[in-house]
Amino acid sequence: AQSVSQHNHHVILSEAASLELGCNYSYGGTVNLFWYVQYPGQHLQLLLKYFSGDPLVKGIKGFEAEFIKSKFSFNLRKPSVQWSDTAEYFCAVDGSTLGRLYFGRGTQLTVWP
Amino acid sequence: EAEVAQSPRYKITEKSQAVAFWCDPISGHATLYWYRQILGQGPELLVQFQDESVVDDSQLPKDRFSAERLKGVDSTLKIQPAELGDSAMYLCASSLGTGAEQFFGPGTRLTVL
Repeated sequence: AQSVSQHNHHVILSEAASLELGCNYSYGGTVNLFWYVQYPGQHLQLLLKYFSGDPLVKGIKGFEAEFIKSKFSFNLRKPSVQWSDTAEYFCAVDGSTLGRLYFGRGTQLTVWP
Repeated sequence: EAEVAQSPRYKITEKSQAVAFWCDPISGHATLYWYRQILGQGPELLVQFQDESVVDDSQLPKDRFSAERLKGVDSTLKIQPAELGDSAMYLCASSLGTGAEQFFGPGTRLTVL
């Protein structure tokens, strides 16, 4: 079975600080990679995804992620966070033919104004 | 914007009682997923439907959980009898097909006393 590790459980930053959230997965085959975000009181929603091609993927709200195959990693980055980025972020991996997602345990990001 | 609907949003029950959750996916979405999210963890897939057929229920505790999607549209997840350890958020998601972006509903928060 696949597994997904998110190293940071809670990250606290000030506005304008840079963000990097780590995500590693264990699966030797071809994978599709996702970052989902859950803002307070809202549904889980897709932030960005990687299926193939350019390993640097850009998503909504200025987020990007880099797929490094040799490191089994898909880290999320944002150069300058805002208070409105306060949310929980989930990394997810799909290596199956059924589209089944395996989620990490999530990282709670708190941004102070 | 089309959304996945779930009801109820909150459910409190006593152990050994039966509970049921309902999900209405986005119109036209053939694939429907039920996830369970325990506090502090990421969502874990319980069951996946393609139209009315179950394609993955390997993580569904079949002695007490059941799921159906009779007409390939809306779906019901049932727990009977509920146990204390079933307290969690139950999320429904839908997608156009396997491997496509999954759209999540608001979830049902279950508390078993």
